[in-house]
This record gives sequence, structure tokens and C-alpha cells, in this order.
Amino acid sequence: DTGVSQNPRHKITKRGQNVTFRCDPISEHNRLYWYRQTLGQGPEFLTYFQNEAQLEKSRLLSDRFSAERPKGSFSTLEIQRTEQGDSAMYLCASAPKVRENTEAFFGQGTRLTVV
Amino acid sequence: GQQLNQSPQSMFIQEGEDVSMNCTSSSIFNTWLWYKQDPGEGPVLLIALYKAGELTSNGRLTAQFGITRKDSFLNISASIPSDVGIYFCAGRKTSYDKVIFGPGTSLSVIP
Repeated sequence: DTGVSQNPRHKITKRGQNVTFRCDPISEHNRLYWYRQTLGQGPEFLTYFQNEAQLEKSRLLSDRFSAERPKGSFSTLEIQRTEQGDSAMYLCASAPKVRENTEAFFGQGTRLTVV
Repeated sequence: GQQLNQSPQSMFIQEGEDVSMNCTSSSIFNTWLWYKQDPGEGPVLLIALYKAGELTSNGRLTAQFGITRKDSFLNISASIPSDVGIYFCAGRKTSYDKVIFGPGTSLSVIP
């Protein structure tokens, strides 16, 4: 499968624990995005990487959240000291180099439940 | 901040009926996108629009980029059960900008 791959698909964690999600983008896509989606809402932008550089972060990304893309390929999103409000679907998307009329492809997401 | 509004919020239709939904924004976008999301899955791109006034089809789906660049609509003709899902509009200001999503329209098709 050559699509965007996210792991795990589901994660249940206790409040206060740390969690880490992984995203493997489509090969040779240099752009990578993280979004968060809560029930009944559209995806909300969290952060954007171009290669290994994190170029934009949303105000939604509190200091408990950190994202990395160390070699410009896969990316990880870590949430420290999880809270119940962090329960959501975390979506990753990747896109090729910017040129006209190119769009990102989304992965299947990681569903986080904080209990 | 930027916000997209979609209407209707939800709709229930009979199989075979046509569907129309729209999206409005307080900001101008240079790209409008329509996605479909099935439960537990990521959004899948249906149609992308890049020019004001552009009308684009993908099978039974037709979407238009409003001439004010602040709105777009999506039509689905002759709906079938597999059209069930949540439809999101999304906009982008420039090729380098992030995509902003609307809150979605939930579609249910009654066989």
C-alpha cells in the first residue's frame, strides 16, 4: 500500500500518560500535515512540515504537544500528560512539492481516547 | 479566524434523489476542495476547484467555485446508499497555505 500510513489506529490511555503517534507519508512527499478532529467537527490544522522543518504550528498545539520529522520522512506527534479533552482523531496528510493543483492525501487517522 | 460554514448540517434523502449542499466563507480562497469521510476513516478528496466560476464533475458529483471566491457548492445526482457519509468543504488561500475545513454535512440515504 502506498498511501499515508498512521499507527496505531486506536489508542486508549489513562489521563496523565504520554502517547506518541506515527505517520508515514507517501514516498517522496516532502510536505506533511497533522490535523485533529473531534466528534461532529471538521479537521483542525495542528502543524506543518516541509521536509524536516516545522514551518507552522497552530495555537491549538499547546506546550504538551510536540511533533517531529527528524529525517524528512516519517513524523511523530507526542502528547504529554494527556487530558480528557485530547480525545480526538489525529489525522496526518502528505503532499508533494508545492506546485499548482496538487493536494494532500490523508491517512486513516489515530483515534485517541483518554479515560 | 477563518471560518467555513456548511449547510445543511445534515440531510436524509431517498435513494435516487439529487443532493445539493453548500459552503460559505468570510474570506476569499483561491482553492476550494470537497472531501468525503466515512466513519473511522480519513477524508478522501472528491473534487478540487482552482478558478472562480469553475464547474467540475467527478462521476455523479458536480462542484462549483463561486464567482465571489467565498463560496462553493456540491451536487450529487441520483444518490445511492454508498453516498452515505460526511461531506466536508475546505478552502486554501494560496498554494503554500494550509487547508481549512468546514464543519461538514452528514448525508444519509434511505434505500
